[in-house]
Amino acid sequence: DTGVSQDPRHKITKRGQNVTFRCDPISEHNRLYWYRQTLGQGPEFLTYFQNEAQLEKSRLLSDRFSAERPKGSFSTLEIQRTEQGDSAMYLCASSSYRGANVLTFGAGSRLTVL
Amino acid sequence: KNEVEQSPQNLTAQEGEFITINCSYSVGISALHWLQQHPGGGIVSLFMLSSGKKKHGRLSATINIQEKHSSLHITASHPRDSAVYICAVSQTSGSRLTFGEGTQLTVNP
Repeated sequence: DTGVSQDPRHKITKRGQNVTFRCDPISEHNRLYWYRQTLGQGPEFLTYFQNEAQLEKSRLLSDRFSAERPKGSFSTLEIQRTEQGDSAMYLCASSSYRGANVLTFGAGSRLTVL
Repeated sequence: KNEVEQSPQNLTAQEGEFITINCSYSVGISALHWLQQHPGGGIVSLFMLSSGKKKHGRLSATINIQEKHSSLHITASHPRDSAVYICAVSQTSGSRLTFGEGTQLTVNP
């Protein structure tokens, strides 16, 4: 297992289009997080899964954003009707319930909305 | 006021200098994380602390739960240490992290 994988790494889309990002966590990690980061800012929490259950969702997340983790393994983050303000790096991280709960981050998916 | 604040925001040092980055938080936490982010977005977890001190190579971190303060130290700094260092806290076990805005460290040769 080489770590947390995110796909695609870069996505350029036109305003109004839908986009979907995928995250494959470390296989034994049951916790999965999505964060959004804009230039010069620290990451901002979007949502958190424990296994397949979505336990927390940021109030900042509009109805255009939805995330799933159907089998408790990989997760998808979909943004509908994208807006220019959605342009950001979308980061996925995973951790294990057991042990030190150290987070492992993916390299991120950079979204540019034109 | 942010729940997690870091200082300084930017730090420039000469190779070999001792570096300290500070983090203060205003909420109850179960753990505090120090993260390193290089240009291009990759984030690496350096330390997770709930008490005391941890050390790994030239890096170490301390936390004072009573004062709600943590410090990250780098000894014998090197240009490859140049990165953004981010402090983040877990408010309850397993829940989301709240991030500071990061400290941009530049180490000049």
